[in-house]
Amino acid sequence: EAGVAQSPRYKIIEKRQSVAFWCNPISGHATLYWYQQILGQGPKLLIQFQNNGVVDDSQLPKDRFSAERLKGVDSTLKIQPAKLEDSAVYLCASSGAGTRVKNIQYFGAGTRLSVL
Amino acid sequence: GDSVTQMEGPVTLSEEAFLTINCTYTATGYPSLFWYVQYPGEGLQLLLKATKADDKGSNKGFEATYRKETTSFHLEKGSVQVSDSAVYFCALSGSSSGSARQLTFGSGTQLTVLP
Repeated sequence: EAGVAQSPRYKIIEKRQSVAFWCNPISGHATLYWYQQILGQGPKLLIQFQNNGVVDDSQLPKDRFSAERLKGVDSTLKIQPAKLEDSAVYLCASSGAGTRVKNIQYFGAGTRLSVL
Repeated sequence: GDSVTQMEGPVTLSEEAFLTINCTYTATGYPSLFWYVQYPGEGLQLLLKATKADDKGSNKGFEATYRKETTSFHLEKGSVQVSDSAVYFCALSGSSSGSARQLTFGSGTQLTVLP
């Protein structure tokens, strides 16, 4: 089966600009996650969707970050305006009823964001 | 809240050496435990998992045993290869209800295997 697709792979912007990332989860996976991975650290959950509803966005900086998952499939994560500390890899993951263990998450390759 | 503490890296070994990467956790209830691996330029891949105490996860020669008494899930491999060079992440999934539970990750351990 096709994996989790993310685009773009790399993005360089200046601070105060806006940026958007796109994720297409594995077909049939109901749950979608966005993580932020700062260099040298483990991924940190930003937001979790179940179908097109938000399950947890407690760690999403809502003053600048937003995410949506229209129709319960693709998702976009937006940052506006970006700050220097937003430089990180943004990972998308999905999980669903097709897995033998429901809480196995499958990750995309990520989008590496550099804010100058 | 839940947390995972991983052995600090980087770790450099010669090919065929024995590998241990330590991982301890703090969580309420009975979490599931995972090791993920991240090869250069790629996303995280599940390496192995264990869902209850005393379970042993294994894959590609790697093993880890869920030790509830010591709250540990150390990763081991008897003979590493150059191709094992990657970053390894220990993670847990809490015991809260819901069909898809969130992962809490450790900080990762960079492994380099020299020929």
